[in-house]
Amino acid sequence: DTGVSQDPRHKITKRGQNVTFRCDPISEHNRLYWYRQTLGQGPEFLTYFQNEAQLEKSRLLSDRFSAERPKGSFSTLEIQRTEQGDSAMYLCASSPRRGGHEQYFGPGTRLTVT
Amino acid sequence: GQSLEQPSEVTAVEGAIVQINCTYQTSGFYGLSWYQQHDGGAPTFLSYNALDGLEETGRFSSFLSRSDSYGYLLLQELQMKDSASYFCAVNRDDKIIFGKGTRLHILP
Repeated sequence: DTGVSQDPRHKITKRGQNVTFRCDPISEHNRLYWYRQTLGQGPEFLTYFQNEAQLEKSRLLSDRFSAERPKGSFSTLEIQRTEQGDSAMYLCASSPRRGGHEQYFGPGTRLTVT
Repeated sequence: GQSLEQPSEVTAVEGAIVQINCTYQTSGFYGLSWYQQHDGGAPTFLSYNALDGLEETGRFSSFLSRSDSYGYLLLQELQMKDSASYFCAVNRDDKIIFGKGTRLHILP
């Protein structure tokens, strides 16, 4: 257990529905990252925050994806109008260091879109 | 853009030494990280090289050559619990970009 928690751990939804995931990072970490991982691939960067500011969003991320970190603590990732291609593991990580090279990952939320 | 290349699979024997290589192409490179991921688990940070040379942490060592855009992870005294996927990841612009990973199989 790294101290990063994610909720829910599993989510099954029907195509077209909206889903929201939550991440609680290690409290003293000001950097928070979201990734998506599919089978046999490495984690794919989605977006990251420094405190409450969203500093970068992947160009691969469509407008259906949005993330927030309202008070610089927990973060939410919302996917609107889900598609079957959104099925993946969504990972959250936090980092104490400038540069973000040492990240601590949560257990992930596995999303299945039917 | 950026790209990372590492072998998709490596097999080694328990107690032996194995090296997992990684080559990268990226702009704005700050350093190279290594992560371990067991099946069904989350990635776990292993090591980071910002400068050329070898970093040692217990049974694991990591090496970087910035001039060759090359690094490797060395695992010694392999144990069955080391069976996992290992990812190299380039650090740039305050984030890391992961490779596709190397699946390490360990034979008894």
